[in-house]
Amino acid sequence: DQQVKQNSPSLSVQEGRISILNCDYTNSMFDYFLWYKKYPAEGPTFLISISSIKDKNEDGRFTVFLNKSAKHLSLHIVPSQPGDSAVYFCAASGSARQLTFGSGTQLTVLP
Amino acid sequence: GAGVSQSPSNKVTEKGKDVELRCDPISGHTALYWYRQSLGQGLEFLIYFQGNSAPDKSGLPSDRFSAERTGGSVSTLTIQRTQQEDSAVYLCASTETGQIYGYTFGSGTRLTVV
Repeated sequence: DQQVKQNSPSLSVQEGRISILNCDYTNSMFDYFLWYKKYPAEGPTFLISISSIKDKNEDGRFTVFLNKSAKHLSLHIVPSQPGDSAVYFCAASGSARQLTFGSGTQLTVLP
Repeated sequence: GAGVSQSPSNKVTEKGKDVELRCDPISGHTALYWYRQSLGQGLEFLIYFQGNSAPDKSGLPSDRFSAERTGGSVSTLTIQRTQQEDSAVYLCASTETGQIYGYTFGSGTRLTVV
């Protein structure tokens, strides 16, 4: 049973436009959410996070939105750049303080 | 070291052989995690170490999988009698205790069982 779901395996956007990556979760005990970015042949690297007490967190071009009632979060990248092309993983944590990851979305930013 | 180091980076093994994967975490990081990513799948949790003990082994898929950590540092993941379904990228991450946003991943070991 997947507790964290990323239903879009891939997404393509034009350079300069907005990229929106989505993630759904089922466990209402999750209280911390993170996004990781992964390039080929490298380990995932932390990108941005949000606590369940907030509904938005912004860091430069990256913004994460959390809708707790819908158990949904999204990552917005504006403007998208070719260097943003990577696999993006959504992750969630509860009291166990371990991360449960989604299956990832391959983002391709077209020049 | 500066980052999490995993070795080997690639391993091809014959079905039925045993393999050992090594993870050298960031110095001072007390928590260590093993994940694996099979083709087209997400990151699957395998085991968590706090110091040398493993409070959560719930992700190990079978008794062919085992892991240990010595000296609160290096960890070894052992897969006995490898099967083709064990083929995946095995990722190790370390962090300071409780700092879930501080996960630092290694580059992984790509295991191919032929």
